[in-house]
Amino acid sequence: GQQLNQSPQSMFIQEGEDVSMNCTSSSIFNTWLWYKQDPGEGPVLLIALYKAGELTSNGRLTAQFGITRKDSFLNISASIPSDVGIYFCAGQLGGSEKLVFGKGTKLTVNP
Amino acid sequence: NAGVTQTPKFQVLKTGQSMTLQCAQDMNHEYMSWYRQDPGMGLRLIHYSVGAGITDQGEVPNGYNVSRSTTEDFPLRLLSAAPSQTSVYFCASSYRGGAYEQYFGPGTRLTVT
Repeated sequence: GQQLNQSPQSMFIQEGEDVSMNCTSSSIFNTWLWYKQDPGEGPVLLIALYKAGELTSNGRLTAQFGITRKDSFLNISASIPSDVGIYFCAGQLGGSEKLVFGKGTKLTVNP
Repeated sequence: NAGVTQTPKFQVLKTGQSMTLQCAQDMNHEYMSWYRQDPGMGLRLIHYSVGAGITDQGEVPNGYNVSRSTTEDFPLRLLSAAPSQTSVYFCASSYRGGAYEQYFGPGTRLTVT
């Protein structure tokens, strides 16, 4: 099946640092979504991107839909302890009703 | 709105037993789906439905059945549980047609011994 390569797999940072993670694929996607999952909970949608080149912010989070439509990145600025969790990217292929998910980036923030 | 609800939250089964995981949503979403989440594997699609009466297979459908008799409900049936089905199961829903923003339930943690 289609694959999204999400990196890094894990990150250990100090509170206040900025964070960047990305997803790449060999396929072209029509939609990119970024989710966060807290322990024991379901994923929660953070940002949705619909156009190539689109840059969208949600508070301290910024995500971009790559120009080639094959990649996306998520930045978190001035991290805080509650940013801890697993971040997933997801993409929707053209002509498909299904989402493909990356394997996640586990973020740990040290106070 | 309650959003997407799942029951039970935890379940332990013996090999060979059958059970149904329940999923309901009150957002009038046409699209519903089931995923399983295993360590290091991300979320893998089991089955999905684009509307009442319509279901289709995802990436890992073997050992699972679904049906969609109403817009609100999308149960997942394990026919004969196996240890390989030990996982966390998530149900999700969304509108169709452009905004594929799926909303997830809280999950069911299933252990098969």
